[in-house]
Amino acid sequence: EAGVAQSPRYKIIEKRQSVAFWCNPISGHATLYWYQQILGQGPKLLIQFQNNGVVDDSQLPKDRFSAERLKGVDSTLKIQPAKLEDSAVYLCASRRQGAGSTDTQYFGPGTRLTVL
Amino acid sequence: GENVEQHPSTLSVQEGDSAVIKCTYSDSASNYFPWYKQELGKRPQLIIDIRSNVGEKKDQRIAVTLNKTAKHFSLHITETQPEDSAVYFCGAGGGADGLTFGKGTHLIIQP
Repeated sequence: EAGVAQSPRYKIIEKRQSVAFWCNPISGHATLYWYQQILGQGPKLLIQFQNNGVVDDSQLPKDRFSAERLKGVDSTLKIQPAKLEDSAVYLCASRRQGAGSTDTQYFGPGTRLTVL
Repeated sequence: GENVEQHPSTLSVQEGDSAVIKCTYSDSASNYFPWYKQELGKRPQLIIDIRSNVGEKKDQRIAVTLNKTAKHFSLHITETQPEDSAVYFCGAGGGADGLTFGKGTHLIIQP
């Protein structure tokens, strides 16, 4: 099966600019996660969707970050305005749900954001 | 919330030797513990996982052990090979929940 797709792979912006990342999960995966991975650290959960509903956004900096999954398939994560400390790799992951599913989260290749 | 500590941050072993990476977690409600391998510039890939109703799981050269009472779990890699060189992350969570990851261990396999 095709893996989790993300775009763009790299993005360089100036601070205070806006940026958006796109994720297309594995077909049929109802659960979608966005993680932020700062250099030298483990991924940190930002938001979790179940279909098109938010399950957990407790660690999402809502003053500048937003995410949506309107049709319960692909998702967009936006940062507006960006700060220097937002420089990181943004990873999307998906998980199947239902009969025969496991807890395995499959990660996409990530979007590397550099804020100058 | 959950907090995961991972040690060591860097581990260098001779090819053919064993490597052990340890993690502790804080939330007794966590019941799912995966290990991911991440090569430079690539996505994290699941290598093994364990649920809290199991004490040990093995897959060829890789094994994971879990001590629920002490809230710690470990990754064991035997007969290490050059392709095992990567950063390894442990995670903890409630199955369907998002995961809390450790800071990672850079495993270096020396020829």
